[in-house]
Order: sequence, then structure tokens, then C-alpha cells
Amino acid sequence: QKEVEQDPGPLSVPEGAIVSLNCTYSNSAFQYFMWYRQYSRKGPELLMYTYSSGNKEDGRFTAQVDKSSKYISLFIRDSQPSDSATYLCAMSAAGFQKLVFGTGTRLLVSP
Amino acid sequence: NAGVTQTPKFQVLKTGQSMTLQCAQDMNHNSMYWYRQDPGMGLRLIYYSASEGTTDKGEVPNGYNVSRLNKREFSLRLESAAPSQTSVYFCASSPRTGTRMNTEAFFGQGTRLTVV
Repeated sequence: QKEVEQDPGPLSVPEGAIVSLNCTYSNSAFQYFMWYRQYSRKGPELLMYTYSSGNKEDGRFTAQVDKSSKYISLFIRDSQPSDSATYLCAMSAAGFQKLVFGTGTRLLVSP
Repeated sequence: NAGVTQTPKFQVLKTGQSMTLQCAQDMNHNSMYWYRQDPGMGLRLIYYSASEGTTDKGEVPNGYNVSRLNKREFSLRLESAAPSQTSVYFCASSPRTGTRMNTEAFFGQGTRLTVV
């Protein structure tokens, strides 16, 4: 079993839709949770960072962490065609030097 | 501000050839990483360097060596390339401060390597 599980998609939505992207994990030591966006043939770029449980909002993006369920989510409001990319979740335990990544969910937002 | 710069961007090698992938960051980060990305496998850590002068194995280190040349530069070497090493390689760096130690990674644009 992988430490981090993520549905590969693709997830296709119309422009303006609310998008929900999710990851589950098995390692209860994870405390830092991140979402990265990766456009085709580019490196991942950090979107959101959350420590422990709770919500964090940044513009159209909201990250949620539920440590009791070992489940994290990224919500995108008013989705745009420019949001079409692969979204990777990543996690880290305190003091560790490395991130554990999900395999990524490909999102397609059609005009 | 260039961030993380990788060279080359593309490379084709024959089985058994060697090469070094170069990475440099200008953000004064202590930690640097090498990942490979394969379809359906996600990003997997090859090696990392928590600080200048130290390196450690990650999840898939076999067939690779690394050198942390100084604080800015972290190179990845393939001594005898194999077709299984065909992949996209990403270098990353991250800050190391307080409770956010190693929580963020800033990635380069990647090197697409094909071994035939």
C-alpha cells in the first residue's frame, strides 16, 4: 500500500465549476500538507501549504486537512481553463527531510 | 530571480553511457533534492542533501550518485545508464527554518532523459 493515494483522473469540469481534489494517506506522523500544481512539461509549483488539521484559503483555492480521517482536499472555486493541470498532494512528517507525493490528479477545465 | 535551474533540459543516452545532471539554486536554501517522475508512479526521491556537505539516500537511489558541490549546486550522476532510468528528473530545493523545516520544495523545470 502506498503511503499517499490520489485518484489519477482525469477530472473534467466546465468553466466556473467548483473542483474537489483529494488524497488519503496512511502515515499518522504526517503533519505538513501541500498541494502542487504541475503544467504539462513543467516542474511542480507550490500552491498551498497547511500545517496539521484545519482549513486554509488563498483566493479561489481552499485546502482542508482532516487528520482523524487521514484525508486532505483542495477546492478550487470558479474554475478556469488556466487551472487545467495535474495537481499533486505532498506530505511530510516533522523533522523529516523529504516529501512524500501522491501520483497526481489531472484536471481539465473546459471553456 | 532564476530559482532552481537544471541542465540539460533533454538528453538521450545509450545504455552504459554516463552523464551528470546539474542543478543550481539561488534562493540560499539549505536542502536540495533529486526526484524522478514516472507515469503512474508520481515523484520519487532519489537522493537528498539536508545541508552542504551531507547527502542521503531516498526511495530509489540505486544506479545514481550525487555530489553537493556547495550550497548552491547539487549534481546527479548516472554511472552506467540503463533503460529503466528513462524518466523526467527534477531537482528541488527547500528552506530549513524552524517548524517549517523542509515543508516546501521549489522545483526546477526538469530534465527529460531517454536511455536507449
